[in-house]
Amino acid sequence: DAKTTQPTSMDCAEGRAANLPCNHSTISGNEYVYWYRQIHSQGPQYIIHGLKNNETNEMASLIITEDRKSSTLILPHATLRDTAVYYCIVGGNEKLTFGTGTRLTIIP
Amino acid sequence: DTAVSQTPKYLVTQMGNDKSIKCEQNLGHDTMYWYKQDSKKFLKIMFSYNNKELIINETVPNRFSPKSPDKAHLNLHINSLELGDSAVYFCASSKDITPYEQYFGPGTRLTVT
Repeated sequence: DAKTTQPTSMDCAEGRAANLPCNHSTISGNEYVYWYRQIHSQGPQYIIHGLKNNETNEMASLIITEDRKSSTLILPHATLRDTAVYYCIVGGNEKLTFGTGTRLTIIP
Repeated sequence: DTAVSQTPKYLVTQMGNDKSIKCEQNLGHDTMYWYKQDSKKFLKIMFSYNNKELIINETVPNRFSPKSPDKAHLNLHINSLELGDSAVYFCASSKDITPYEQYFGPGTRLTVT
C-alpha cells in the first residue's frame, strides 16, 4: 500500500471549515483514498473514501487532485465534537494500514 | 442497538494467563477484523475473516488465535499473556472483503501485569 504524509497536528476554529491535507505521491491506479477518525478512547470511525472523483457525504467532502498524489478532507462546519485524530489511508484492497494521522483540535 | 460490540471493555490479568475477547456484529457483514492499538497509538491489523475463513494473518505470535464460530462473531484468544500484549484491541467489520467502510467496536483495553 502507498505511504501517506499528514501534518502531525492542526487547529481550527469552531464553525469554520477544517481542511486536512494528505500527500500520497506513490499511489497506484487502483488504490483508493480513505479517511477515518478516532475520537479519544473510541474506535475509529469511517468518514469517506474516493478513487478519482471528489466525494461528499453528510460528514465531509474529499477533494482528490487530478494526479491523485494528494487529497484534502474538508469538514465544512467544524464543531467541538470533531476534535479527533484523522487518518488518511491509501490502498486497502484487503486491509487498511493506519499511519500516525493528524490530531485536529477544534478551538471554541 | 450497538453495531459492533466487544466484551469485556477492560481486562486486567497476569502474565502467563490465557484470556479471550469476544466480538459480535449485527450489521450482517461478511468480513470481520481484529486490530491492536499500542501505547503509542499505532493501530495495526492482526487478522481478518470473511465468512468464517481466515483472509489476513499479519505477523502475529501464534499465541493469538482468532476463532469465528459464525460470520457475526470473531473472538480472539490469547495464550500465555506477556507484558507486551498490553494494548487496546479493536474489532471491526465490513460488508465484504474490500474494506471500504469498516465499523469498529468500542475496544477492549487489555492490561497485563
